[in-house]
Amino acid sequence: NAGVTQTPKFRVLKTGQSMTLLCAQDMNHEYMYWYRQDPGMGLRLIHYSVGEGTTAKGEVPDGYNVSRLKKQNFLLGLESAAPSQTSVYFCASSYPWGYEQYFGPGTRLTVT
Amino acid sequence: GENVGLHLPTLSVQEGDNSIINCAYSNSASDYFIWYKQESGKGPQFIIDIRSNMDKRQGQRVTVLLNKTVKHLSLQIAATQPGDSAVYFCAMGGSQGNLIFGKGTKLSVKP
Repeated sequence: NAGVTQTPKFRVLKTGQSMTLLCAQDMNHEYMYWYRQDPGMGLRLIHYSVGEGTTAKGEVPDGYNVSRLKKQNFLLGLESAAPSQTSVYFCASSYPWGYEQYFGPGTRLTVT
Repeated sequence: GENVGLHLPTLSVQEGDNSIINCAYSNSASDYFIWYKQESGKGPQFIIDIRSNMDKRQGQRVTVLLNKTVKHLSLQIAATQPGDSAVYFCAMGGSQGNLIFGKGTKLSVKP
């Protein structure tokens, strides 16, 4: 099993550009999450999904949108990138709440 | 609000010594706590978890201690090895069912 995979691994955007980060998991997990990690800030939850076709806001949702059209995929979109969105983005998946979350390798995004 | 605090951002230990990494949390209603290890350039990796009905849980070379009275969580690593060098995060279950992460402790192991 590949576990949780993320595409792309690195990306540089100019302010105002848009992009989509793709997360895929092959563990048949119901729940999926998008986090951002900034220096000295730990991981902060952006959006999450408790099942196919559902999404919900996390701690820092502004400037991001998500979609969960298939159970195994969770997409994170930036419609108009800003320098404040420069960060490392991690996707995770899990069984229902309280269970271990499995993380992907991360996407390093730089917005200039 | 809900948050997880950290006692020390960095910790340096001698190879073979025991390491203790501490966390404090604010939400006494949380019933789930977890420790992750993150190596440079990689995603967080599960180490060990504990539920609030327990005070202690042991894994391979790792022990998690939970003191609900003072809202304190610790991770003990026995016989620390160079491969243990990483950033360690504690996290707790939040009211939304999410995980709330601390800011991490960077563990450095001196040979």
